[in-house]
Amino acid sequence: KQEVTQIPAALSVPEGENLVLNCSFTDSAIYNLQWFRQDPGKGLTSLLLIQSSQREQTSGRLNASLDKSSGRSTLYIAASQPGDSATYLCAVNNQGGKLIFGQGTELSVKP
Amino acid sequence: GAGVSQSPSNKVTEKGKDVELRCDPISGHTALYWYRQSLGQGLEFLIYFQGNSAPDKSGLPSDRFSAERTGGSVSTLTIQRTQQEDSAVYLCASSSRREQETQYFGPGTRLLVL
Repeated sequence: KQEVTQIPAALSVPEGENLVLNCSFTDSAIYNLQWFRQDPGKGLTSLLLIQSSQREQTSGRLNASLDKSSGRSTLYIAASQPGDSATYLCAVNNQGGKLIFGQGTELSVKP
Repeated sequence: GAGVSQSPSNKVTEKGKDVELRCDPISGHTALYWYRQSLGQGLEFLIYFQGNSAPDKSGLPSDRFSAERTGGSVSTLTIQRTQQEDSAVYLCASSSRREQETQYFGPGTRLLVL
C-alpha cells in the first residue's frame, strides 16, 4: 500500500529565504507526482506535476525534483514571500489515477 | 475558461439525513474524482469516473456513500443516513486523461453533520 510522508509538518521562515519541502513515498511504481498548495478554507491549487520519467519541473520560483528509485521528491521555493504562506501537499499517482496525499507541510513566511 | 465548481459550498445537516453534493468538472475533462479532507484523516480518495468505464469505488468508506456521473459531465455524491464522522470537506477534481494529467480541484463542499 502506497504511503506518502511529508517533512516537516510545519515550517516558519523569514521573508527572502530559500526553502525545501520534502516528500517521500513507499512504492516507487508511480505514474507521476503532483505538488499542490492549499490556502486556509480553500481548495487545492496545482503547482507542479512531474511525470515518472522526469527528474524535475520548474515554474517561476518553484522547482520540484523527483527521485523515483529512492521514493523522494522535494519542492524548492526560492526567495520566499509572505504570499507563499499556505499548506503544501504532495500527492502520488500510482494506481489508476487516484492520488495518494501526504499530510502536508504548513509554511509560514514572516515579513 | 471556468474551473471545477462545486455546490453547495457549505452544508449543515442533522444526523440521519441524506445529502447530495454536486460537482461540475472542467468542460471536456473525461476523468472526475471525489476526495474527502478531514482533520483526522487528511485527504483521501473516494471514487473516480473515467469516460464510460465503470467507476473505481474502492475509496468509498461505506455503502452509505454513492456517486453518479450523468452524461459524462456533472457528478453527484450522495451520503445517506449521515453520521457525525462524515463531517469533512468534500473535494472534486477533474483531468483530461486518467493517469498522466494534472488534476484540477474545485473549492470543495464543507459538510457538517450535527
